[in-house]
Amino acid sequence: DQQVKQNSPSLSVQEGRISILNCDYTNSMFDYFLWYKKYPAEGPTFLISISSIKDKNEDGRFTVFLNKSAKHLSLHIVPSQPGDSAVYFCAASAPSNTGKLIFGQGTTLQVKP
Amino acid sequence: KAGVTQTPRYLIKTRGQQVTLSCSPISGHRSVSWYQQTPGQGLQFLFEYFSETQRNKGNFPGRFSGRQFSNSRSEMNVSTLELGDSALYLCASSLGQTDTQYFGPGTRLTVL
Repeated sequence: DQQVKQNSPSLSVQEGRISILNCDYTNSMFDYFLWYKKYPAEGPTFLISISSIKDKNEDGRFTVFLNKSAKHLSLHIVPSQPGDSAVYFCAASAPSNTGKLIFGQGTTLQVKP
Repeated sequence: KAGVTQTPRYLIKTRGQQVTLSCSPISGHRSVSWYQQTPGQGLQFLFEYFSETQRNKGNFPGRFSGRQFSNSRSEMNVSTLELGDSALYLCASSLGQTDTQYFGPGTRLTVL
């Protein structure tokens, strides 16, 4: 039972355009969501997070939107740069399950110059 | 501040052996979580330690165990290695149990 899903395995965008990565979840107990970026053979790098009491959080070029009724979140990267090319994971946690992140399967983003 | 460090970075073992991986958290962080990443299963939670006690555990067999020391450093141990244990093992640290987790570079374990 996959509680966090990233249905698009890959995404390709042109440099300077917007990248939109999507994530759906099924567990209504999740109250904290995070996005990580990962290069091969390296650990995930934290990008941005959002609490379930908010519907938007911004940090520079990265914005995360949360739609609780649809159990959906998205990561917007504007403008996209070639250095953004990596695998992006969304993750979620529940207050009853401390220290445990549930990850999606990841979306590979390619930003073309 | 130094990030999360993991040693060794690479390991090759044979079936039946055991292995110990080490993780040093970011200074001041007291929670350490461990994850296994494989191509088929993605990133899966192993366990979490806080104040030297295992507070949460994922769905892995008892061959996977861990501990945390008083300085928050953590080790995980896998006994009787199987081919399917080949994976990237990641540890993450956070200030407290519900705070943002920051990951180390991982240990690549290959079981032959």
